[in-house]
Amino acid sequence: KNQVEQSPQSLIILEGKNCTLQCNYTVSPFSNLRWYKQDTGRGPVSLTIMTFSENTKSNGRYTATLDADTKQSSLHITASQLSDSASYICVVSHSGAGSYQLTFGKGTKLSVIP
Amino acid sequence: DGGITQSPKYLFRKEGQNVTLSCEQNLNHDAMYWYRQDPGQGLRLIYYSQIVNDFQKGDIAEGYSVSREKKESFPLTVTSAQKNPTAFYLCASSIIGRRNRSTDTQYFGPGTRLTVL
Repeated sequence: KNQVEQSPQSLIILEGKNCTLQCNYTVSPFSNLRWYKQDTGRGPVSLTIMTFSENTKSNGRYTATLDADTKQSSLHITASQLSDSASYICVVSHSGAGSYQLTFGKGTKLSVIP
Repeated sequence: DGGITQSPKYLFRKEGQNVTLSCEQNLNHDAMYWYRQDPGQGLRLIYYSQIVNDFQKGDIAEGYSVSREKKESFPLTVTSAQKNPTAFYLCASSIIGRRNRSTDTQYFGPGTRLTVL
């Protein structure tokens, strides 16, 4: 069964600190992995996309890593800001039945406090 | 949220009523999608459309219906057959859709929160 597991479920950090969010997947055949940021009551916004051959990708203070061997990804946030408070969703794309399908994780809710 | 709009932002429905959620995009995207988001769960696909006048069921299509008469519009009707419709509904679009390119990024609208009274 295709699954995407994220940890922790929620996280509270002080403004200015770093944090790392985890994503483990059991999806086959793997195509790519994305991280989305979702502000409360809003739609998700794409942060990064990583294919099988990529193991690091940055977008400003966000750095995603991918280990395709262990089927793990992480999202590292550097020097957190209050505006980073949101849910972060890991999404894995996999092919099957003639199309590409997405499996969404449940998200990690990050709260950055002053 | 890009060029995707959803309306209304909040919607209240009485049991037994059908309601229609609007989704419009001006991104010239071929593919459009409807997802449902419940607390503590990942997004689940309801319906998707790759092209005008064509749409496919997703993982949880029962109790929902859609139409795609125009490229820009993909309304979702929540029927009385949907037993637990209270949720946050997200519409998305992408350039060319699921069949053609795995790196096709989906752009999401701001969502509609539906509550059954």
